[in-house]
Amino acid sequence: TQLLEQSPQFLSIQEGENLTVYCNSSSVFSSLQWYRQEPGEGPVLLVTVVTGGEVKKLKRLTFQFGDARKDSSLHITAAQPGDTGLYLCAGPKGGKLIFGQGTELSVKP
Amino acid sequence: EAGVAQSPRYKIIEKRQSVAFWCNPISGHATLYWYQQILGQGPKLLIQFQNNGVVDDSQLPKDRFSAERLKGVDSTLKIQPAKLEDSAVYLCASSLVPQGAGANYGYTFGSGTRLTVV
Repeated sequence: TQLLEQSPQFLSIQEGENLTVYCNSSSVFSSLQWYRQEPGEGPVLLVTVVTGGEVKKLKRLTFQFGDARKDSSLHITAAQPGDTGLYLCAGPKGGKLIFGQGTELSVKP
Repeated sequence: EAGVAQSPRYKIIEKRQSVAFWCNPISGHATLYWYQQILGQGPKLLIQFQNNGVVDDSQLPKDRFSAERLKGVDSTLKIQPAKLEDSAVYLCASSLVPQGAGANYGYTFGSGTRLTVV
Protein backbone atom coordinates (compact mmCIF):
# COMPACT_ATOMS: atom_id res chain seq x y z
CA THR A 1 0.00 0.00 0.00
CA GLN A 2 1.14 3.50 -0.83
CA LEU A 3 1.72 5.91 2.04
CA LEU A 4 0.91 8.75 -0.34
CA GLU A 5 -1.97 8.14 -2.74
CA GLN A 6 -2.28 10.36 -5.77
CA SER A 7 -5.37 10.80 -7.91
CA PRO A 8 -6.09 10.69 -10.68
CA GLN A 9 -3.32 8.46 -12.03
CA PHE A 10 -3.84 9.69 -15.59
CA LEU A 11 -5.30 12.93 -16.88
CA SER A 12 -5.68 13.99 -20.52
CA ILE A 13 -7.10 17.44 -21.14
CA GLN A 14 -7.26 20.15 -23.79
CA GLU A 15 -5.16 23.28 -23.66
CA GLY A 16 -6.90 25.99 -21.63
CA GLU A 17 -8.71 23.66 -19.24
CA ASN A 18 -8.24 23.69 -15.48
CA LEU A 19 -7.31 20.63 -13.43
CA THR A 20 -6.64 19.49 -9.89
CA VAL A 21 -4.37 16.68 -8.73
CA TYR A 22 -4.72 15.24 -5.23
CA CYS A 23 -2.24 13.69 -2.82
CA ASN A 24 -3.72 11.95 0.22
CA SER A 25 -2.40 10.05 3.22
CA SER A 26 -3.65 8.66 6.49
CA SER A 27 -0.40 9.89 8.10
CA VAL A 28 0.57 13.39 9.16
CA PHE A 29 3.54 14.90 7.34
CA SER A 30 5.74 17.75 8.54
CA SER A 31 5.81 18.96 4.95
CA LEU A 32 4.93 17.86 1.45
CA GLN A 33 6.73 18.54 -1.78
CA TRP A 34 5.56 18.54 -5.38
CA TYR A 35 7.81 17.57 -8.28
CA ARG A 36 7.33 17.53 -12.03
CA GLN A 37 9.12 14.94 -14.13
CA GLU A 38 9.41 15.19 -17.91
CA PRO A 39 10.14 12.11 -20.04
CA GLY A 40 13.78 11.08 -19.85
CA GLU A 41 14.56 13.45 -16.99
CA GLY A 42 14.64 13.33 -13.22
CA PRO A 43 11.95 14.96 -11.05
CA VAL A 44 12.31 18.70 -10.52
CA LEU A 45 11.12 20.30 -7.30
CA LEU A 46 8.22 22.73 -7.78
CA VAL A 47 7.30 23.66 -4.22
CA THR A 48 7.43 22.65 -0.56
CA VAL A 49 4.41 23.28 1.70
CA VAL A 50 5.05 23.29 5.42
CA THR A 51 2.17 24.82 7.36
CA GLY A 52 -1.30 23.26 7.58
CA GLY A 53 -3.71 25.25 5.41
CA GLU A 54 -0.86 26.87 3.49
CA VAL A 55 -1.47 27.96 -0.09
CA LYS A 56 1.40 28.67 -2.47
CA LYS A 57 1.16 29.97 -6.00
CA LEU A 58 3.66 29.48 -8.79
CA LYS A 59 2.35 31.30 -11.86
CA ARG A 60 -0.63 29.18 -12.99
CA LEU A 61 -0.01 26.48 -10.37
CA THR A 62 -1.63 26.66 -6.93
CA PHE A 63 -0.56 24.28 -4.18
CA GLN A 64 -2.47 23.70 -0.98
CA PHE A 65 -1.53 21.80 2.18
CA GLY A 66 -4.45 20.38 4.14
CA ASP A 67 -5.22 21.77 7.58
CA ALA A 68 -4.41 18.39 9.17
CA ARG A 69 -1.22 18.05 7.10
CA LYS A 70 -2.37 14.73 5.67
CA ASP A 71 -3.17 15.85 2.15
CA SER A 72 -2.25 18.32 -0.55
CA SER A 73 -3.56 19.43 -3.89
CA LEU A 74 -2.13 20.96 -7.03
CA HIS A 75 -4.40 23.09 -9.20
CA ILE A 76 -3.37 24.21 -12.68
CA THR A 77 -5.27 27.04 -14.33
CA ALA A 78 -5.48 27.26 -18.13
CA ALA A 79 -3.22 24.27 -18.75
CA GLN A 80 -0.69 24.46 -21.57
CA PRO A 81 1.07 21.69 -23.54
CA GLY A 82 4.26 22.59 -21.66
CA ASP A 83 2.59 21.42 -18.43
CA THR A 84 2.63 17.84 -19.74
CA GLY A 85 4.54 15.48 -17.45
CA LEU A 86 4.43 13.29 -14.38
CA TYR A 87 3.48 15.15 -11.19
CA LEU A 88 4.75 13.58 -7.99
CA CYS A 89 4.00 14.44 -4.40
CA ALA A 90 6.52 13.46 -1.75
CA GLY A 91 6.90 13.74 1.99
CA PRO A 92 9.57 12.97 4.61
CA LYS A 93 8.98 9.87 6.72
CA GLY A 94 11.57 8.13 8.87
CA GLY A 95 14.35 10.36 7.57
CA LYS A 96 13.69 9.62 3.93
CA LEU A 97 11.54 11.10 1.19
CA ILE A 98 8.54 8.95 0.22
CA PHE A 99 6.89 9.48 -3.16
CA GLY A 100 3.37 8.97 -4.37
CA GLN A 101 2.84 6.95 -7.53
CA GLY A 102 2.42 10.07 -9.63
CA THR A 103 -0.20 11.65 -11.88
CA GLU A 104 0.54 11.50 -15.60
CA LEU A 105 -0.78 14.71 -17.19
CA SER A 106 -1.16 15.17 -20.94
CA VAL A 107 -2.26 18.55 -22.26
CA LYS A 108 -3.24 18.51 -25.92
CA PRO A 109 -3.05 21.64 -28.06
CA GLU B 1 25.81 25.37 -10.04
CA ALA B 2 26.31 22.06 -11.82
CA GLY B 3 23.52 19.54 -11.33
CA VAL B 4 23.64 15.89 -10.38
CA ALA B 5 25.49 13.96 -13.07
CA GLN B 6 24.63 10.37 -13.92
CA SER B 7 25.98 7.93 -16.46
CA PRO B 8 25.26 6.11 -18.61
CA ARG B 9 21.89 7.49 -19.76
CA TYR B 10 20.77 4.18 -21.22
CA LYS B 11 21.85 0.57 -20.78
CA ILE B 12 20.52 -2.64 -22.28
CA ILE B 13 21.80 -5.92 -20.87
CA GLU B 14 20.79 -9.55 -20.86
CA LYS B 15 19.46 -11.15 -17.69
CA ARG B 16 22.14 -12.54 -15.40
CA GLN B 17 24.66 -9.95 -16.64
CA SER B 18 26.05 -7.27 -14.36
CA VAL B 19 25.77 -3.49 -14.70
CA ALA B 20 27.04 -0.43 -12.86
CA PHE B 21 25.72 3.12 -12.66
CA TRP B 22 27.67 6.20 -11.63
CA CYS B 23 26.54 9.37 -9.89
CA ASN B 24 28.29 12.65 -9.07
CA PRO B 25 26.17 14.79 -6.70
CA ILE B 26 26.08 18.55 -6.34
CA SER B 27 29.24 19.83 -4.71
CA GLY B 28 28.79 20.17 -0.96
CA HIS B 29 25.72 17.93 -0.74
CA ALA B 30 26.49 15.43 1.97
CA THR B 31 23.41 13.28 1.43
CA LEU B 32 23.09 11.07 -1.65
CA TYR B 33 20.21 8.80 -2.61
CA TRP B 34 19.62 6.10 -5.18
CA TYR B 35 16.02 5.60 -6.27
CA GLN B 36 14.47 3.00 -8.56
CA GLN B 37 11.55 4.16 -10.70
CA ILE B 38 9.58 1.48 -12.49
CA LEU B 39 7.48 2.70 -15.42
CA GLY B 40 4.23 4.25 -14.22
CA GLN B 41 5.29 4.43 -10.58
CA GLY B 42 6.87 6.94 -8.26
CA PRO B 43 10.53 6.62 -7.28
CA LYS B 44 11.34 4.09 -4.56
CA LEU B 45 14.35 4.67 -2.31
CA LEU B 46 17.03 1.98 -2.59
CA ILE B 47 19.80 3.44 -0.45
CA GLN B 48 20.73 6.67 1.31
CA PHE B 49 24.28 7.81 2.12
CA GLN B 50 25.34 10.50 4.55
CA ASN B 51 28.89 11.38 3.44
CA ASN B 52 30.40 7.92 2.88
CA GLY B 53 28.23 6.08 5.41
CA VAL B 54 25.01 4.18 4.70
CA VAL B 55 22.00 5.66 6.51
CA ASP B 56 19.24 3.47 5.07
CA ASP B 57 19.48 0.47 2.77
CA SER B 58 16.39 -1.34 4.00
CA GLN B 59 14.85 -1.45 0.52
CA LEU B 60 18.00 -2.54 -1.31
CA PRO B 61 17.87 -6.17 -2.57
CA LYS B 62 21.27 -6.96 -1.12
CA ASP B 63 21.56 -10.36 -2.77
CA ARG B 64 22.05 -8.64 -6.12
CA PHE B 65 22.38 -4.89 -5.55
CA SER B 66 25.34 -3.09 -4.01
CA ALA B 67 26.31 0.55 -3.70
CA GLU B 68 29.26 2.49 -2.42
CA ARG B 69 30.35 6.07 -1.87
CA LEU B 70 33.97 5.62 -0.93
CA LYS B 71 35.18 9.20 -0.62
CA GLY B 72 31.86 10.77 0.30
CA VAL B 73 31.40 12.27 -3.17
CA ASP B 74 30.79 10.02 -6.20
CA SER B 75 28.71 6.90 -5.87
CA THR B 76 28.23 3.72 -7.86
CA LEU B 77 25.28 1.35 -7.85
CA LYS B 78 25.80 -2.20 -9.13
CA ILE B 79 23.42 -4.99 -10.03
CA GLN B 80 24.78 -8.52 -10.31
CA PRO B 81 23.14 -10.60 -11.66
CA ALA B 82 20.36 -8.59 -13.27
CA LYS B 83 16.79 -9.86 -13.53
CA LEU B 84 14.04 -8.86 -15.94
CA GLU B 85 12.19 -7.05 -13.13
CA ASP B 86 15.19 -4.75 -12.62
CA SER B 87 14.20 -2.89 -15.79
CA ALA B 88 13.61 0.65 -14.55
CA VAL B 89 15.06 4.13 -14.37
CA TYR B 90 17.70 4.48 -11.67
CA LEU B 91 17.75 7.99 -10.27
CA CYS B 92 20.45 9.55 -8.17
CA ALA B 93 19.62 12.56 -6.01
CA SER B 94 21.47 14.70 -3.52
CA SER B 95 20.48 17.17 -0.84
CA LEU B 96 22.21 19.58 1.50
CA VAL B 97 20.75 17.92 4.59
CA PRO B 98 18.77 14.71 5.10
CA GLN B 99 14.99 14.86 5.12
CA GLY B 100 13.52 14.94 8.59
CA ALA B 101 16.46 16.90 9.92
CA GLY B 102 14.24 19.85 10.70
CA ALA B 103 14.79 21.35 7.27
CA ASN B 104 12.62 20.99 4.22
CA TYR B 105 15.13 21.07 1.43
CA GLY B 106 14.09 19.42 -1.77
CA TYR B 107 16.20 16.92 -3.56
CA THR B 108 18.07 17.61 -6.78
CA PHE B 109 17.79 14.66 -9.13
CA GLY B 110 19.98 13.59 -11.98
CA SER B 111 18.47 12.64 -15.34
CA GLY B 112 18.64 8.96 -14.47
CA THR B 113 19.86 5.79 -16.16
CA ARG B 114 17.23 3.82 -18.04
CA LEU B 115 18.04 0.12 -17.68
CA THR B 116 16.44 -2.49 -19.89
CA VAL B 117 17.05 -6.15 -19.03
CA VAL B 118 16.19 -8.55 -21.85
